[in-house]
Amino acid sequence: DAGVTQSPTHLIKTRGQQVTLRCSPKSGHDTVSWYQQALGQGPQFIFQYYEEEERQRGNFPDRFSGHQFPNYSSELNVNALLLGDSALYLCASSLLSEHSNQPQHFGDGTRLSIL
Amino acid sequence: RKEVEQDPGPFNVPEGATVAFNCTYSNSASQSFFWYRQDCRKEPKLLMSVYSSGNEDGRFTAQLNRASQYISLLIRDSKLSDSATYLCACGGGGADGLTFGKGTHLIIQP
Repeated sequence: DAGVTQSPTHLIKTRGQQVTLRCSPKSGHDTVSWYQQALGQGPQFIFQYYEEEERQRGNFPDRFSGHQFPNYSSELNVNALLLGDSALYLCASSLLSEHSNQPQHFGDGTRLSIL
Repeated sequence: RKEVEQDPGPFNVPEGATVAFNCTYSNSASQSFFWYRQDCRKEPKLLMSVYSSGNEDGRFTAQLNRASQYISLLIRDSKLSDSATYLCACGGGGADGLTFGKGTHLIIQP
């Protein structure tokens, strides 16, 4: 049973560039959330996708956008990269349920460095 | 005031001891609560969900106090392998995005 997979594992970009990160959810999960984790901080919620639409969004600028595909996989796009975007980007998947609290399971993350 | 607050530690604890962490949250509408464990430069791994009645999983016990808006984690008979950062997380319910604390760093010493 494959867990959450993310690619690439590491990425180096320069300021002003654009980046796309990818995520495949755990088998059976339909919801994908993205988080940014800076060094020494907890993960910060970016947004969540369900049924190919953005369902929730955290306090991140429009430079951060995403997409979910019919197979539930997802992409995170960041435009006009800033030095402060250097972080570990985590994808988490879960099963949407209105009646119970579904835990989220994380992938290994993509470590993004901006030079 | 931060939405989810944790004592960053580090907590230095001898092997075999009992250690407890608290985490406070400010959003009274929070419905779901979790403890995650994160090893250095790795992803967070779900340790346990936290239920209103409290729950136990082996050496780990989690409690929720809605009136005071805090959750706790108790680790009994601590092992060297318990050394990690423990993150608490709160959500609105269902599969909502989670708000994490900064984490508490635990070091178990031989």
